[in-house]
Amino acid sequence: GQQLNQSPQSMFIQEGEDVSMNCTSSSIFNTWLWYKQDPGEGPVLLIALYKAGELTSNGRLTAQFGITRKDSFLNISASIPSDVGIYFCAGVNYGGSQGNLIFGKGTKLSVKP
Amino acid sequence: KAGVTQTPRYLIKTRGQQVTLSCSPISGHRSVSWYQQTPGQGLQFLFEYFSETQRNKGNFPGRFSGRQFSNSRSEMNVSTLELGDSALYLCASSLISGRGGNEQFFGPGTRLTVL
Repeated sequence: GQQLNQSPQSMFIQEGEDVSMNCTSSSIFNTWLWYKQDPGEGPVLLIALYKAGELTSNGRLTAQFGITRKDSFLNISASIPSDVGIYFCAGVNYGGSQGNLIFGKGTKLSVKP
Repeated sequence: KAGVTQTPRYLIKTRGQQVTLSCSPISGHRSVSWYQQTPGQGLQFLFEYFSETQRNKGNFPGRFSGRQFSNSRSEMNVSTLELGDSALYLCASSLISGRGGNEQFFGPGTRLTVL
């Protein structure tokens, strides 16, 4: 099925460093969502984006909806050990039926204290 | 407000058996979507239910089915289990209407192991 291209696949960083990850697609989306998943748990919604060019923050997290509607990025500033996990981007197809999120493969983040 | 709940959390079955998983959405959410998560394929959309009707379906065989009840609770069923059906099955609920309508909130998942 259709998937988003999410990069990088994994990151191993030092505590206090900033992190950046992004998602690109060949399709237009009208909503971008960013999730974090801890082992053995379901994804938790971090940030939702609804408008091209929109820049939204949630604490140390900042995400942007690309102008072309085909990409989005997530930044984490001053990383801490509890940021460890897998981050997923998800898009809702423009004009498509609601309820069908298209997910990236995830970015696995490891933080060294 | 309670989150999305899924039961059971863990399940072990053998090939050829069938299984039913249950999901209770957040109160007031009328849409329930199901996803399969595996290390190789990632998160794959199975189907979505709204007002007891299947509105959208992913690319899975007919062995995967679901339904939604009048109280928005949903079940999914997998018949004639195969080894490849081993996965984390996630349920997500959403409001559908309004600005946050596309935001889906996930339950903890049901870990299915097929032996």
